[in-house]
Amino acid sequence: ILNVEQSPQSLHVQEGDSTNFTCSFPSSNFYALHWYRWETAKSPEALFVMTLNGDEKKKGRISATLNTKEGYSYLYIKGSQPEDSATYLCAFPLTGTASKLTFGTGTRLQVTL
Amino acid sequence: SQTIHQWPATLVQPVGSPLSLECTVEGTSNPNLYWYRQAAGRGLQLLFYSVGIGQISSEVPQNLSASRPQDRQFILSSKKLLLSDSGFYLCAWTAGGWGRVYGYTFGSGTRLTVV
Repeated sequence: ILNVEQSPQSLHVQEGDSTNFTCSFPSSNFYALHWYRWETAKSPEALFVMTLNGDEKKKGRISATLNTKEGYSYLYIKGSQPEDSATYLCAFPLTGTASKLTFGTGTRLQVTL
Repeated sequence: SQTIHQWPATLVQPVGSPLSLECTVEGTSNPNLYWYRQAAGRGLQLLFYSVGIGQISSEVPQNLSASRPQDRQFILSSKKLLLSDSGFYLCAWTAGGWGRVYGYTFGSGTRLTVV
């Protein structure tokens, strides 16, 4: 059984705070690690797909790092804004050609004024 | 550009009634198609996936079935709904095996409540 674990489960920060959360995944047979952002009443949106150990990707105030040897990825949000409030999911592709993803349970971020 | 449509957005159905959720993709051919469900307090769980017309793989034994009658159409069905079928259902597509590299594009989801 493949486990993708995310922590914390939820996070409540003030506007302007920087924050980060963790995704842990099996380090063997690594292919890629995906991050998605899921706002309430919308569909999940792909943020990053990371494939190389040591990779760092950035999109505006959001960035992510990857450590495939120890099996973790961090997602950072700098200067959180209320519009960053969402659930952040990481996902790990299973082997095979069907591109199946196993998702973590997500970190629910709430940013208040 | 590619788009994915999923309907209905919300559904309230009595226990024992049938279910049909539909998902269609435009602007691409031979996509991989997926049905995921998020039950209350749980993560996204893969229910079915399809790599071609008539090819359906089930990930977990359950009260649901899926069909792919056309290349860009994916249908989730049940003959008799259970209370435990309640949840948020998401359809997604990828360009074949490239989904592992480029990720999924999700539909807008269906909130199903079985009463």
